[in-house]
Amino acid sequence: EVQLAESGGGLVQPGGSLRLSCAASGFSLSDYWMGWVRQAPGKGLEWVATIKPDGSEKYYVDSVKGRFTISRDNAMHSVYLQMNSLRAEDTAVYYCARVAGNGWVGCWGQGTLVTVSS
Amino acid sequence: DIVMTQSPDSLAVSLGERATINCKSSQSVLYSSDSKNYLAWYQQKPGQPPNLLIYWASTRESGVPDRFSGSGSGTDFTLTISSLQAEDVAVYYCQQYYSVPPWTFGQGTKVEIK
Repeated sequence: EVQLAESGGGLVQPGGSLRLSCAASGFSLSDYWMGWVRQAPGKGLEWVATIKPDGSEKYYVDSVKGRFTISRDNAMHSVYLQMNSLRAEDTAVYYCARVAGNGWVGCWGQGTLVTVSS
Repeated sequence: DIVMTQSPDSLAVSLGERATINCKSSQSVLYSSDSKNYLAWYQQKPGQPPNLLIYWASTRESGVPDRFSGSGSGTDFTLTISSLQAEDVAVYYCQQYYSVPPWTFGQGTKVEIK
């Protein structure tokens, strides 16, 4: 069974850092683009970061460029999101996403909540 | 960036009736080389992650009931629920994957029972 399991969310003060992890199982991680999509409380979906199967290309939404870094370890079946200089507006549920075909999300994790507050 | 705009923001439909959601992109998402529309639709129920319904604008994901259908081309797209069921109460999102990532979603349309 294909599964994505996020971890690492929590409460952090503005300016702080968190590292999210996504453990993939049931498929070969090295075959897929992966990404992180977030959803602020009561709001819509926002694609945050995307990474090529071999990690050679990474893309970010403008609002997180220079602060967030996506990475992956295919041997460890994991994808990561390092979040620095966190702001209140980064508060959201962060979903790990497996990209299918040319860019739709065929599989989602259950999400992990990040709350940025003093 | 390609901006996706959905309409309406919410709608209430009687059980068994048709629900129609529109999605408009700020530029065409039809790729001329393969004649495909780079657009997907998702359903999100409260407390759950989104669930893929349709990709390539009109291809239904495996396991999705055939009352869900997608149509449109270029910049204007529609998701239709032909006969609304109680379990279809959710928020629906369109997403374009035509551009270089990050791809973009519409703001969502909430579907309720009238």
